[in-house]
Amino acid sequence: NAGVTQTPKFRILKIGQSMTLQCTQDMNHNYMYWYRQDPGMGLKLIYYSVGAGITDKGEVPNGYNVSRSTTEDFPLRLELAAPSQTSVYFCASISNTEAFFGQGTRLTVV
Amino acid sequence: GQSLEQPSEVTAVEGAIVQINCTYQTSGFYGLSWYQQHDGGAPTFLSYNGLDGLEETGRFSSFLSRSDSYGYLLLQELQMKDSASYFCAVKGAGSGNTGKLIFGQGTTLQVKP
Repeated sequence: NAGVTQTPKFRILKIGQSMTLQCTQDMNHNYMYWYRQDPGMGLKLIYYSVGAGITDKGEVPNGYNVSRSTTEDFPLRLELAAPSQTSVYFCASISNTEAFFGQGTRLTVV
Repeated sequence: GQSLEQPSEVTAVEGAIVQINCTYQTSGFYGLSWYQQHDGGAPTFLSYNGLDGLEETGRFSSFLSRSDSYGYLLLQELQMKDSASYFCAVKGAGSGNTGKLIFGQGTTLQVKP
């Protein structure tokens, strides 16, 4: 089983550029999440989805957008990259009790 | 909304027992879970409490008291490899929080020889 797959692993963006972080899970989970984690800090929820076609804002949604057209995929879009978006991003899906995380994307905005 | 509080750092020696506490505020939730994260890695699941009481998984145990809005993770027979960050998390239920999975700020555990 692949579990949760995130791409890319690393990315450097210039201020104002756009990009999409991809996330795919093969466990048929309805719930999926995007988090950001700054150095030495906890996981902050950006957006989440409770099923295909349904998305909702988390704690820090500004500057990001998501879509959930299928159960498997939950991409995160950054439209106008800013230095404040430099962080490590994690995608996750959850069964009834356990969250499974992707390996993370280390994003630097310069 | 939902919020969770944990101590920022804990230090213990190899072979000892350590308890990491988590207090939370939420209007409703399904259960309290715990995750471990080593430097540079992704969080991995350790334990889940859906009901009050103690859950034991090998050297790790977790406890939940809904009436006290409190839980803890207990690590026994500490090993050097247990040095990591530990996060508690709740998955919201009802009142616009359904499905929202929120994490505490994390507790950095340092195990010394």
